[in-house]
Amino acid sequence: QLQLQESGPGLVKPSETLSLTCSVSGGSISSSSYYWGWLRQPPGKGLQWIASIYYSGNTYYNPSLKSRVTISVDTSKNHFSLELRSVTVADTAVYYCARQGIRNKSIDYWGQGILVTVSS
Amino acid sequence: DIQMTQSPSSLSASVGDRVTFTCRASQSIASSTLNWYQQKPGKAPKLLIYAASSLQSGVPSRFSGDGSGTDFTLTISSLQPADFATYYCQQSYSTPWTFGQGTRVDIK
Repeated sequence: QLQLQESGPGLVKPSETLSLTCSVSGGSISSSSYYWGWLRQPPGKGLQWIASIYYSGNTYYNPSLKSRVTISVDTSKNHFSLELRSVTVADTAVYYCARQGIRNKSIDYWGQGILVTVSS
Repeated sequence: DIQMTQSPSSLSASVGDRVTFTCRASQSIASSTLNWYQQKPGKAPKLLIYAASSLQSGVPSRFSGDGSGTDFTLTISSLQPADFATYYCQQSYSTPWTFGQGTRVDIK
């Protein structure tokens, strides 16, 4: 059974960089059938897609965040990562990592989510 | 960006009710790129329906999806206690992949 697990700090100061890692178990991140992505959900609000990556390194970014975001993959460790720079309180959210099918890009596996609070 | 608008934003219903909610895209999208998710409080979303009408493995058959172009629906044929949750539609037709604001279903 595939499992995704987010890890990283739960508190980040304004203007600093949020760094998260998603560890994948029960399956290979090098599968040609999937993208691996990050989404977020501010408290009490809806879902926003942030970025996705293919095992080969091809990346896709939400233009609204692209200037501040880097997604990367480490196939040797079977994990992928997110960096969000220059954070503000508006970046406070639950961050999810997820797997997307390459055919219709539905998100069929999600991590449990990690709450990241931006506060001084 | 393609805007996804769901209606209603919330509804109250009873166990056994048939409920239908709607998702409208701001432009026409391929049916193969419309997905529905269920989210319960404090949990990650769960994929219910992909490609507008295909039931994800393990999802009860009381869930069904339909639609094409800009208008899509999710129907629960007989609401069960486990179905009280928030439902989101998502388009994967073009980036940025976007979600509707959600429809919350609670107990009448």
